[in-house]
Amino acid sequence: QSALTQPASVSGSPGQSITISCTGTTSDIGAYNYVSWHQQYPGKAPKLIIYEVANRPSGISDRFSGSKSGNTASLTISGLQAEDEADYYCSSFRSNGNWVFGGGTKLTVL
Amino acid sequence: EVQLVESGGGLVQPGGSVRLSCVVSGFTFSNYWMSWVRQAPGKGLEWLTNIEGDGSRISYVDSVKGRFTISRDNAKNSLYLQMNYLKSEDTAVYYCARDNIWARDFWGQGTLVTVSS
Repeated sequence: QSALTQPASVSGSPGQSITISCTGTTSDIGAYNYVSWHQQYPGKAPKLIIYEVANRPSGISDRFSGSKSGNTASLTISGLQAEDEADYYCSSFRSNGNWVFGGGTKLTVL
Repeated sequence: EVQLVESGGGLVQPGGSVRLSCVVSGFTFSNYWMSWVRQAPGKGLEWLTNIEGDGSRISYVDSVKGRFTISRDNAKNSLYLQMNYLKSEDTAVYYCARDNIWARDFWGQGTLVTVSS
C-alpha cells in the first residue's frame, strides 16, 4: 500500500508563499474529500492543520490553506514565518477503508 | 482539555510481544473512532489501524495485519495495541490519535518501541 507522494523538501523566505503538493490516486485523494494535513516539529507529535481538504481547525492561522484538484491535494502557507519551519504530512482516506499518509515534506524558512 | 497518554513502549526482542496503552480524557471516548499511527526513526508517519467507538469495526494496514491487534475498553477510557511477532522494522514511536472530522485531530505524545536483540 503505497504512501501518497510529497516533495521531500521545500523552502521559502519570510513573507513569501509556498505550496506543498500531495499526489495520490483515484482510490484515495481523487475519490474522497477526506484529505488532511499535519504539521510536526522535531520530537513532537503531529498537529492537525487542515481537514476535509480545505478546513482549518479552531486556532489554526488562516495563513494555512488547502485545496484539491483531481488526484492531487495542496497545502499553501502564505506570509511564511520562521515558526512555520517543520515537517508537513498529507493524509487521505482510501477506498479499502484504510488511511494513508504522504512521505512528508520538510519546510525550510530561509 | 483533550489528552491522550500512551505507555508500554520499551526494548523488545525480535519475535517478541508488547502491549501499548493509550488513556484518554477530556472527551466522551466511546463516541469516537481511534487510531494508532507510527513513525520509524527519521521516517514519515504510517497509519496502522483504527477502531470504531463501540469496537464493532476495525481496519488494519496490510503490513501489520495478523500481527497487531487493536482493542479498547470504553469503561476505562483506554485504547490498546497488542503487537506480536515483532521485527526490527517495527521500531518506531507509536502514537494514538482520535479520529474526528475525517482526520486525526488529537494525538498523544507517543511511546517508543525498539525491537532489537
